Amino acid sequence: SAVISQKPSRDICQRGTSLTIQCQVDSQVTMMFWYRQQPGQSLTLIATANQGSEATYESGFVIDKFPISRPNLTFSTLTVSNMSPEDSSIYLCSVDEGNTNEQFFGPGTRLTVL
Amino acid sequence: AQSVTQLGSHVSVSEGALVLLRCNYSSSVPPYLFWYVQYPNQGLQLLLKYTTGATLVKGINGFEAEFKKSETSFHLTKPSAHMSDAAEYFCAVTPSGNTPLVFGKGTRLSVIA
Repeated sequence: SAVISQKPSRDICQRGTSLTIQCQVDSQVTMMFWYRQQPGQSLTLIATANQGSEATYESGFVIDKFPISRPNLTFSTLTVSNMSPEDSSIYLCSVDEGNTNEQFFGPGTRLTVL
Repeated sequence: AQSVTQLGSHVSVSEGALVLLRCNYSSSVPPYLFWYVQYPNQGLQLLLKYTTGATLVKGINGFEAEFKKSETSFHLTKPSAHMSDAAEYFCAVTPSGNTPLVFGKGTRLSVIA
């Protein structure tokens, strides 16, 4: 199974600032997904990131607020811009191993915005 | 569009008792179904999946689930609960591989000694 790491694991940020979260996979994958898990809630898809193309955002999420990069088949970043306390969540990246139809998740980045 | 309903946001069982976590789905196409577990302050771990074939699937840690198309259900069971099973459990659906998952709201399992 794919091994996924995320940096940072957690951060406390001030309102109005931005944070970039990194997601690294130990194998090449076509599709990467970014999810948000608000406190005590389930996971909500933010966007799908394909290498070499613009990310596809879900309703309620926009590129200006959550810009995503996908420079190669093993790496992606998600930036949370102009943060407010409502952005306090766990942000998780996941990948799909196409040959097994399984999605694996990174450990998550726990973000607190003051 | 796919959706998942998990009945019961919190389930409490005694150690050694049967665990039953309910999941019903809605899908316009034959679904792929998953159960994930999330321990406190950790990421998601895949417990088991159903894609095609045998409708009773076995996963890790003694869990299993049965896909029942007629009932649009994919309930998770374990014959005997262990204290270490206490966690949040999420059911998820997707129409195919390489597509994002739609998650249920989750069920928190407590195990009482």
